[in-house]
Amino acid sequence: AQSVTQLDSQVPVFEEAPVELRCNYSSSVSVYLFWYVQYPNQGLQLLLKYLSGSTLVKGINGFEAEFNKSQTSFHLRKPSVHISDTAEYFCAERVYNTDKLIFGTGTRLQVFP
Amino acid sequence: NAGVTQTPKFQVLKTGQSMTLQCAQDMNHNSMYWYRQDPGMGLRLIYYSASEGTTDKGEVPNGYNVSRLNKREFSLRLESAAPSQTSVYFCATTAGGIGGNTIYFGEGSWLTVV
Repeated sequence: AQSVTQLDSQVPVFEEAPVELRCNYSSSVSVYLFWYVQYPNQGLQLLLKYLSGSTLVKGINGFEAEFNKSQTSFHLRKPSVHISDTAEYFCAERVYNTDKLIFGTGTRLQVFP
Repeated sequence: NAGVTQTPKFQVLKTGQSMTLQCAQDMNHNSMYWYRQDPGMGLRLIYYSASEGTTDKGEVPNGYNVSRLNKREFSLRLESAAPSQTSVYFCATTAGGIGGNTIYFGEGSWLTVV
């Protein structure tokens, strides 16, 4: 069965520092990958997605992610974080040939002043 | 969250009681989902509906039933609530198709079973 692994449950970082949130996927066939953000007491919002083409994907709020097929990874990065980036981040993969998503367990990003 | 409305937002149930979570979308999407979110577990798919009149089990369907009443509405029913069903429930929709369509989420329903 397909699975998504987020290696860090929590990532503390100081404001204006760079951050990387790690995600590994399992599928060996056509891959669609997503990063979602969840602010406290809200639903999930799409940050970015990879369907095909360029392996570097840019999203909203200055985030980007790189698709690496050889390492089956899709890590999320931001060069300089803000307090407002404090949230939970979910990596997700579409189940092959369906409209279902498999989510990772989430990474809580805490940005300190 | 654009066009996906869940009710109720908060609910406390006693063990054994039943209830229905309602979800409606005005985005004319084909696919609708119910997820539950638990600490350290991420989001897990309960049930999925690719179109009106069709439903399919997800990862954790036990203890739940669903109805895709029409294209707009997808309800989740707990027939006999258990403390293990204490969770945050999210309804979501997507336009459907094999392509990577964005999934839109409702704001969540917080359910506590005591």
